[in-house]
Amino acid sequence: GEDVEQSLFLSVREGDSSVINCTYTDSSSTYLYWYKQEPGAGLQLLTYIFSNMDMKQDQRLTVLLNKKDKHLSLRIADTQTGDSAIYFCAEIQPTSGTYKYIFGTGTRLKVLA
Amino acid sequence: GAVVSQHPSRVICKSGTSVKIECRSLDFQATTMFWYRQFPKQSLMLMATSNEGSKATYEQGVEKDKFLINHASLTLSTLTVTSAHPEDSSFYICSAREGGFPLGTDTQYFGPGTRLTVL
Repeated sequence: GEDVEQSLFLSVREGDSSVINCTYTDSSSTYLYWYKQEPGAGLQLLTYIFSNMDMKQDQRLTVLLNKKDKHLSLRIADTQTGDSAIYFCAEIQPTSGTYKYIFGTGTRLKVLA
Repeated sequence: GAVVSQHPSRVICKSGTSVKIECRSLDFQATTMFWYRQFPKQSLMLMATSNEGSKATYEQGVEKDKFLINHASLTLSTLTVTSAHPEDSSFYICSAREGGFPLGTDTQYFGPGTRLTVL
């Protein structure tokens, strides 16, 4: 099917690392994305990775991509209370001359002080 | 980064009325805009893809006559929920894709969302 799977909840202590996992469906996806959504707000692009890369680091964020297993992860180092939000992974699928995003189910991250 | 705005941010309407939501790309030209619907504690569901100057492409199960989409310019797309009912209450989010890049090499920029409540 089209489901992009994520674990629903993750709870970590402030200062620890968080790892959010995602299993996507389309092995031909050229880009994979991580978005953050705070309560009652839209989506904020955090980072993305091109499919020919295994890893991408951007300050506190590290993205790992395992194409063989179609597994994507987002690691947040030194997690802060402001990181509490819902995190969505997304893959691209072509449609009608353009492309569409297929979003994961979302992982709600709670950071405990 | 690129900015996408939505208006209104919240709207409450009576059952049977129509509601229009605007999505604007503020500092770039958006050849393609997308409309999503998000139910509480759920993921985003793509409703339709809108290309400037042409008819929107709706996802399976989305009623075209119910959710009217107009993308009349490179910076504005509108979603009109016609004859709204309580089950249409949801969080509607638009996104915009900047033109001029090969497919898949750019990103979508999301608006802040519009919360629709139908009484």
